[in-house]
Amino acid sequence: SSELTQDPAVSVALGQTVRITCQGDSLRTYYANWYQQKPGQAPVLVIYGRVNRPSGIPDRFSGSSSGNTASLTITGAQAEDEADYYCSSRDSSGDHRVFGGGTKLTVL
Amino acid sequence: QVQLVESGGGVVQPGRSLRLSCAASGFTFSNYGMHWVRQAPGKGLEWVAVISFDGSNKHYVDSVKGRFIISRDYSKNTLYLQMNSLRTEDTAVYHCAKDGSLGEIDYWGQGTLVSVSS
Repeated sequence: SSELTQDPAVSVALGQTVRITCQGDSLRTYYANWYQQKPGQAPVLVIYGRVNRPSGIPDRFSGSSSGNTASLTITGAQAEDEADYYCSSRDSSGDHRVFGGGTKLTVL
Repeated sequence: QVQLVESGGGVVQPGRSLRLSCAASGFTFSNYGMHWVRQAPGKGLEWVAVISFDGSNKHYVDSVKGRFIISRDYSKNTLYLQMNSLRTEDTAVYHCAKDGSLGEIDYWGQGTLVSVSS
């Protein structure tokens, strides 16, 4: 399958930890990447290659993976983390990219 | 710093054509694959097409195959998307994006809006 499945919405209390998951068969073979998108803005890469964090991304963001499931964890969520989060990977052919449907994170 | 600036969007009737451009700067354009990713109003991200660093390989999502053509001009550091036979379902913000070291998309442009409507 070339699809990546995410929960549509997740909420977290300020300062608590939240995990956002992404499921798909291609994740058994290819890295997951994670993007944060705030309203009216372009997406920003927050995790790549399953666990790597680009320069400038706070260390409260981390990635992990097991089997066909990749996870983005925010440890100590801040108000500014409220956004849509998308996972992405390659499809089964390796040539195409695919995105999950996105998870809307609300920080309470 | 990496900059990707899209242009060429607008309102177009179904069945017509439009060409999007993306001016790239702040990195060695000829070293990286480039993508187009779109986002319909209120919807999620949809990958559209990729072109390899040397232009030799191009791949498309099934819904645009045969209608859209991705290309690049190294002399102008510019990425293009030729969109033909446009449909109402092609209405979206189209983002230009750059490949990273592990094949991830690491930088995005702000996007240009394409609206297909009669």
